[in-house]
Amino acid sequence: QKEVEQNSGPLSVPEGAIASLNCTYSDRGSQSFFWYRQYSGKSPELIMSIYSNGDKEDGRFTAQLNKASQYVSLLIRDSQPSDSATYLCAVTRRSGNTPLVFGKGTRLSVIA
Amino acid sequence: DTGVSQNPRHKITKRGQNVTFRCDPISEHNRLYWYRQTLGQGPEFLTYFQNEAQLEKSRLLSDRFSAERPKGSFSTLEIQRTEQGDSAMYLCASSLVGRTSSNYGYTFGSGTRLTVV
Repeated sequence: QKEVEQNSGPLSVPEGAIASLNCTYSDRGSQSFFWYRQYSGKSPELIMSIYSNGDKEDGRFTAQLNKASQYVSLLIRDSQPSDSATYLCAVTRRSGNTPLVFGKGTRLSVIA
Repeated sequence: DTGVSQNPRHKITKRGQNVTFRCDPISEHNRLYWYRQTLGQGPEFLTYFQNEAQLEKSRLLSDRFSAERPKGSFSTLEIQRTEQGDSAMYLCASSLVGRTSSNYGYTFGSGTRLTVV
């Protein structure tokens, strides 16, 4: 089992819809969770971090964490064509300060 | 501060040659990470430093790879006797980690794209 798993997509949503991106992780000791956005040919940029069970909202983005299910998700409301990118889920191993382990990413395409 | 800087942006080399990449992190950051990314994959961890100490190396980092961070500032990643399988984007990132800080999202550099021919 891979440490961090994501559906590679592509996930296609119409403009204005909610995009839902999912991620599961294998290490029950993981404590810190991150979502990065990566445009084609560019480096990843941090969108959200979440550390506690529940929801965390930042603008159009909401991160959701369920440690019991080892599941983390990212919702993008009012999706825009500029949101079209690959979204990477990243998780720490064991304690909070270990290097991040990344999933393969989910490619999102927002159709105008 | 201009963020994390990586040089060169692109490198084409012949198989068997040695290459060296440089990363200048954000000056206030005490941690520096090297990752490798190939097409369609997420970044794969290679190694990281806290100040000048190399704290962990991935099993992906064969003996042909070496990284240094002298004086805890910039870092170099050297690949000896390059192979075609080394072709990838090499990403450097930095972060600030303190004893009480758990929020340490990385800032990535633009990467160095290596092509081994």
